[in-house]
Amino acid sequence: NAGVTQTPKFQVLKTGQSMTLQCAQDMNHEYMSWYRQDPGMGLRLIHYSVGAGITDQGEVPNGYNVSRSTTEDFPLRLLSAAPSQTSVYFCASRVGFDTEAFFGQGTRLTVV
Amino acid sequence: AQTVTQSQPEMSVQEAETVTLSCTYDTSESDYYLFWYKQPPSRQMILVIRQEAYKQQNATENRFSVNFQKAAKSFSLKISDSQLGDAAMYFCAYRSGETSGSRLTFGEGTQLTVNP
Repeated sequence: NAGVTQTPKFQVLKTGQSMTLQCAQDMNHEYMSWYRQDPGMGLRLIHYSVGAGITDQGEVPNGYNVSRSTTEDFPLRLLSAAPSQTSVYFCASRVGFDTEAFFGQGTRLTVV
Repeated sequence: AQTVTQSQPEMSVQEAETVTLSCTYDTSESDYYLFWYKQPPSRQMILVIRQEAYKQQNATENRFSVNFQKAAKSFSLKISDSQLGDAAMYFCAYRSGETSGSRLTFGEGTQLTVNP
C-alpha cells in the first residue's frame, strides 16, 4: 500500500517556467488537498477537492491550478513560477469528512 | 476564520523527561477536530494524536496525551518519557466539523530538541 505519493521530491525552476507537481493516492480517498509549507508559517491550504471533478480554492491559490479527473490523482500546476513560490509542497488525502489526513512526503521546490 | 497559534517556536527536553507543547486556537464553531502532527527531518507529516471537540475526555496515545480546555480554546501536547526519536517539528492543527472541505488550519510549529 503506497499511500500518498508525490513526485518529484526536489525541483529547481527558473522564473517564468511552468511545471506540474504530481500527487497520487491508492486508498480510494475522496478528499485531497495541496498545502505549502514556509518557515514560521506552518502549512497553508492552496487548493482542495472533495471528489473527482470537484475542486475549490484554499487560502493561497494564486499562481496555482488544479484538476481532479480521477479519484486517484490530484496534480498541482504552477503556471509561471515566481521566487515567492519557493516552498515545500504537501499533498494530503482522507477518506471522509471526519477522518484523519494522510500526507505525501513533500516536494521541495526552488524557483530561481 | 479560524486561527491556530503556537507561541513556542523552540523547546528542549532531556531524554526521559516530560515536555508540554502549547497551542491555542480561535473559533466560533462548536463542532471541530484538533490534531497534533509530528514532522521529523524526513519531512513526513505524521499524525500524533487527535481530539474531537465534543469529547470531554482528553485523548491519549501511549506516551502522548493532550490537555484539551474547550472554554479556554487551548490544546496542549504532553510528551512523557521523551525519547531521542521524538525530536521533530510539531504542528497543532484545527479542522471544522461544521463545514465540508479539506481545510486543516495549522499553527506555526514548535521545534522540539531532545537532549541525551
